[in-house]
Amino acid sequence: GDSVTQMEGPVTLSEEAFLTINCTYTATGYPSLFWYVQYPGEGLQLLLKATKADDKGSNKGFEATYRKETTSFHLEKGSVQVSDSAVYFCALSATNTGNQFYFGTGTSLTVIP
Amino acid sequence: GAVVSQHPSWVICKSGTSVKIECRSLDFQATTMFWYRQFPKQSLMLMATSNEGSKATYEQGVEKDKFLINHASLTLSTLTVTSAHPEDSSFYICSAIYRGTLYNSPLHFGNGTRLTVT
Repeated sequence: GDSVTQMEGPVTLSEEAFLTINCTYTATGYPSLFWYVQYPGEGLQLLLKATKADDKGSNKGFEATYRKETTSFHLEKGSVQVSDSAVYFCALSATNTGNQFYFGTGTSLTVIP
Repeated sequence: GAVVSQHPSWVICKSGTSVKIECRSLDFQATTMFWYRQFPKQSLMLMATSNEGSKATYEQGVEKDKFLINHASLTLSTLTVTSAHPEDSSFYICSAIYRGTLYNSPLHFGNGTRLTVT
């Protein structure tokens, strides 16, 4: 079945460090891929998305490229800020599973000044 | 756009009582709403999928008689935790998807409800 595998956390970085959170997926159809962010005590917010191979999603300095050849959708940011501290979830939605979403386990990021 | 409002944001109730959580799509019509449960420092656990005007589809292991879901309109779904017990204490999050959109549309989430059963 479809699934998402996300790198284990927690991740702790110093401010202005480079961030990579790995995400790989398994899907039988042609999935759309998403990154969501959850700040403490809140629900999830869509961070970025990509709907087909080689698409690059970007938002707030974060980027992720849909790599079909490696079935990956790694999240990157060149210079993290303290305000980026949150939990990040990778997710997919496949056309052949009727709007069903599959989430990774989440990666907690803490950015220290 | 695409705002999902969830109420209450937190609730404390006594064991044995019932609690209702509302999830509203404020500026779009949602044919499908999802209810998730999240334990501390863990991922989302899908509890059920709710389609407007029909019975919810529950995931394996989720008691449908304990977690009553009603999706009476295109903008409102409710989750009622019946006869709550301390082990039901958790963070519950709803999400909704646009009516009639393509499969590559994102989910839109509410801000969650922190339920504490004493």
